Amino acid sequence: EDKVVQSPLSLVVHEGDTVTLNCSYEVTNFRSLLWYKQEKKAPTFLFMLTSSGIEKKSGRLSSILDKKELFSILNITATQTGDSAVYLCAVGSTDSWGKLQFGAGTQVVVTP
Amino acid sequence: EAQVTQNPRYLITVTGKKLTVTCSQNMNHEYMSWYRQDPGLGLRQIYYSMNVEVTDKGDVPEGYKVSRKEKRNFPLILESPSPNQTSLYFCASGNSQGALAFFGQGTRLTVV
Repeated sequence: EDKVVQSPLSLVVHEGDTVTLNCSYEVTNFRSLLWYKQEKKAPTFLFMLTSSGIEKKSGRLSSILDKKELFSILNITATQTGDSAVYLCAVGSTDSWGKLQFGAGTQVVVTP
Repeated sequence: EAQVTQNPRYLITVTGKKLTVTCSQNMNHEYMSWYRQDPGLGLRQIYYSMNVEVTDKGDVPEGYKVSRKEKRNFPLILESPSPNQTSLYFCASGNSQGALAFFGQGTRLTVV
């Protein structure tokens, strides 16, 4: 059975700190890994990763995929209170192109 | 503005009374999907569609129906709602690469 595990479950940091979130997966015929940010409402799309070792970057957020060790990392540098959210990871397989399985998420709280 | 629109945003209904939650996107996306989100269980996929007249089951399809008669619309139908379908529902759309890039604002459904 496919599995997506995120760690830690939650963390609290101070503004300015760097945060590293982990997403491990077990899925047959991996296709892609996606990261989302969910504040009070709907998830918003951050990154899609398909190739190992290629960093995706957007402002203070960056992410990288390791297909050999089956995990991805999302980094947030110089955190701000607006980064407080649940960060979700989702994994897709080529077995069923439209199936996208989400992890439970990591809750990040950034304190002033 | 690119968006996914769900209606209604909130709904309280009684057991057994058929209901439909509409979902519409204005980005000409082939890929659309429905998820439910429950505390402790995360986002679970109900159904997805890769194009018009092409739909498939996700991880929790029991008690739900969908249709995809037009590209922009992907309604979720509960023929006989039960209290265990009380949840927060999200519709999402994305490109044929399998990235669900846009989520609707969610429908909070309560079945009593």
